[in-house]
Amino acid sequence: DAKTTQPNSMESNEEEPVHLPCNHSTISGTDYIHWYRQLPSQGPEYVIHGLTSNVNNRMASLAIAEDRKSSTLILHRATLRDAAVYYCILRALDSGGGADGLTFGKGTHLIIQP
Amino acid sequence: DGGITQSPKYLFRKEGQNVTLSCEQNLNHDAMYWYRQDPGQGLRLIYYSQIVNDFQKGDIAEGYSVSREKKESFPLTVTSAQKNPTAFYLCASTSARSSGNTIYFGEGSWLTVV
Repeated sequence: DAKTTQPNSMESNEEEPVHLPCNHSTISGTDYIHWYRQLPSQGPEYVIHGLTSNVNNRMASLAIAEDRKSSTLILHRATLRDAAVYYCILRALDSGGGADGLTFGKGTHLIIQP
Repeated sequence: DGGITQSPKYLFRKEGQNVTLSCEQNLNHDAMYWYRQDPGQGLRLIYYSQIVNDFQKGDIAEGYSVSREKKESFPLTVTSAQKNPTAFYLCASTSARSSGNTIYFGEGSWLTVV
């Protein structure tokens, strides 16, 4: 299964942009890149996902490298509520046409300073 | 509203007992997953199911069992064979037909051995 690599932690100041990197050098052509975030003692929540093109939504932007071997989640103006663990995962279709086991890494712990 | 529901939120288990965590979804999702999360750690996959009456072991299936008799339900049993079951358990679901579909998580269940 294709895996992702993220920094263990990052720190940023409130109201500044945050760029969270993710490396996925073994990504295949059919893998989607998904980002989720998890607040303490809660289940992860969806942030954004993409395949090849950059994506924007109300929460964040996703910048995908041209070779798709890396991506960056961009929070344009961080708030204290954005402090969470951010997970970058790849979703693939297995040979049988169904979803795979959905493996998560440890994610990036984002710390926001007031 | 559609969603995924886990119960109970908190559960205490005596040594040697089996306990079952419930996970129900009304999203018409084919695929369902169980994860274990220890404090400060990432999500580790226990079991997953892509279709009714079928499931696969994840990375840490020993000491756990599951069933998938209905599309909406994917209960997890923590057996007495699981020597260190105290953890936060998360259930998730998604469509198995498209890797671009969002993954939905429950709010989690805290299991403590007393």
